[in-house]
Amino acid sequence: GENVEQHPSTLSVQEGDSAVIKCTYSDSASNYFPWYKQELGKRPQLIIDIRSNVGEKKDQRIAVTLNKTAKHFSLHITETQPEDSAVYFCAASNFGNEKLTFGTGTRLTIIP
Amino acid sequence: NAGVTQTPKFRVLKTGQSMTLLCAQDMNHEYMYWYRQDPGMGLRLIHYSVGEGTTAKGEVPDGYNVSRLKKQNFLLGLESAAPSQTSVYFCASRPDVSGYTFGSGTRLTVV
Repeated sequence: GENVEQHPSTLSVQEGDSAVIKCTYSDSASNYFPWYKQELGKRPQLIIDIRSNVGEKKDQRIAVTLNKTAKHFSLHITETQPEDSAVYFCAASNFGNEKLTFGTGTRLTIIP
Repeated sequence: NAGVTQTPKFRVLKTGQSMTLLCAQDMNHEYMYWYRQDPGMGLRLIHYSVGEGTTAKGEVPDGYNVSRLKKQNFLLGLESAAPSQTSVYFCASRPDVSGYTFGSGTRLTVV
């Protein structure tokens, strides 16, 4: 089955700097890669996703890049703000799979 | 349109007691899931369903049972609660191969 590894497990960045979280996956058939943000005490919420037919997707300060050859994808947050502090989860799936496989999460802390 | 609703939000059980967690979605989603989240361990899949009347085991199914008698509801049961089942439980649903919508969670403590 699919295995998703996520790094780093914790990340601290100065406000205004960029943050990058990386994930690798094992199943070459995976073609859907969402990212979730979970604030303290809240539910995980989808913030951006990418499908395998594109290499990059942006939404304001958030972007995701995908390298299918190397089987890794990354979340990029630019101009970080205090409200970006949260746990971020990556996940992977393919159209024949009934469920997402999640990474173990990255706790991002933005230092004012 | 409430999305995914979980009840109850909090519960304290004594060891050996039973309870049922209810997940309801009003988005006509086919797929529904139950996860547990423990500190430092991310989200672990307990059971899931790909449609009304179907259920399947996830990676940590022992000690739990589920039922999906109606498309909009997915029930998670604990027959004999154990302290190891203290966790935050999240339900999620999705229409097809796309992102999940999560419920707000149930914080369960077994003493």
